[in-house]
Amino acid sequence: KAGVTQTPRYLIKTRGQQVTLSCSPISGHRSVSWYQQTPGQGLQFLFEYFSETQRNKGNFPGRFSGRQFSNSRSEMNVSTLELGDSALYLCASSLLGTHGGNEQFFGPGTRLTVL
Amino acid sequence: AQSVTQLDSQVPVFEEAPVELRCNYSSSVSVYLFWYVQYPNQGLQLLLKYLSGSTLVESINGFEAEFNKSQTSFHLRKPSVHISDTAEYFCAVMTRGGTASKLTFGTGTRLQVTL
Repeated sequence: KAGVTQTPRYLIKTRGQQVTLSCSPISGHRSVSWYQQTPGQGLQFLFEYFSETQRNKGNFPGRFSGRQFSNSRSEMNVSTLELGDSALYLCASSLLGTHGGNEQFFGPGTRLTVL
Repeated sequence: AQSVTQLDSQVPVFEEAPVELRCNYSSSVSVYLFWYVQYPNQGLQLLLKYLSGSTLVESINGFEAEFNKSQTSFHLRKPSVHISDTAEYFCAVMTRGGTASKLTFGTGTRLQVTL
């Protein structure tokens, strides 16, 4: 079974631009979560989608948004990029995303660099 | 609110020596506990998890962790490390009983194994 895939793997943008990152979960998984990883702030939760609905949201500004499609694939969008948005963005999928400590499987991440 | 503290940012150790990576958490509700490992330029891989039952959990590659409720700790141990264990290790918690699967991570511990 294929793992979580994220595209693109690397991205370079300039301040003020917007960017869209894509995540394809493991087949059959309905929950997709996004995390931002930076040297200064570590791993921080962005949001979780389950069955096309945002179910949980972290403490990030409205410039960060996401969505999930009927096939469970998810995209996240960052508008008006700032230098501080440079980070590794990780996507994780899980079967149900419900209580029970459902294991989250992580993708390799998208490395975003904002110049 | 939950928080995870990994007191050691870096742990240098010689090959075949034992190692302990410390993790303490704070939460007003019951949690599930996880250890993830991240190799360079890769996403996170689940090493082991505590959901319920035996407080000692083991991974297939020789790591183990013990849940200590009174000390709110979930330290990771390995009796004999290998060069290939060099990586970043993250402790994480997830709220027990909720319908969302948000992980709260510690800041990570870099394990550096040398000959």
